[in-house]
Amino acid sequence: DQQVKQNSPSLSVQEGRISILNCDYTNSMFDYFLWYKKYPAEGPTFLISISSIKDKNEDGRFTVFLNKSAKHLSLHIVPSQPGDSAVYFCAASHGGSQGNLIFGKGTKLSVKP
Amino acid sequence: KAGVTQTPRYLIKTRGQQVTLSCSPISGHRSVSWYQQTPGQGLQFLFEYFSETQRNKGNFPGRFSGRQFSNSRSEMNVSTLELGDSALYLCASSTGTDSYEQYFGPGTRLTVT
Repeated sequence: DQQVKQNSPSLSVQEGRISILNCDYTNSMFDYFLWYKKYPAEGPTFLISISSIKDKNEDGRFTVFLNKSAKHLSLHIVPSQPGDSAVYFCAASHGGSQGNLIFGKGTKLSVKP
Repeated sequence: KAGVTQTPRYLIKTRGQQVTLSCSPISGHRSVSWYQQTPGQGLQFLFEYFSETQRNKGNFPGRFSGRQFSNSRSEMNVSTLELGDSALYLCASSTGTDSYEQYFGPGTRLTVT
């Protein structure tokens, strides 16, 4: 039973355009969401997060949107750069289990020059 | 500030053996979480330690165990290794109190033959 789903295994975009990565969740107890980027042979790197009391959080080229009613969040990268090519993981947690992040299976982003 | 370190980076073991992996968290972080990453299952939570106590536990058999020392360093042990235990084992550290963000180490690649 996957509580966090990333339905697109891969995404290809042109350099300079917008990349939109999507994530759906089923557990209404989740109150915090995070995005991680992972390169091969490295651990995941924290990118950006959002609390369930917000619907948007921005950090430079990265923006995360949260739609609680739809149990959906998305990560926007604008403009996309070739160095953004990596696997992106969506993760969720709730206050009763802070140290336990539930991860989606990831979306491989390829940004073409 | 130094990041999360994990040793060893690579291990090859035989079925039936046991293995111990080590993780040193970011200075000042009191929580260490362990995850298993496999191609089929993605990133799955094993357990979390906070102030030397196991605070959360995932759905793994008792062959997987861990501990945390007073300096917050953590070890994970897998006994009676099975072929299916071949995976990337990641540890992540966080403050454990005021933040959900976890910071990952590079992982230990375990191969069981």
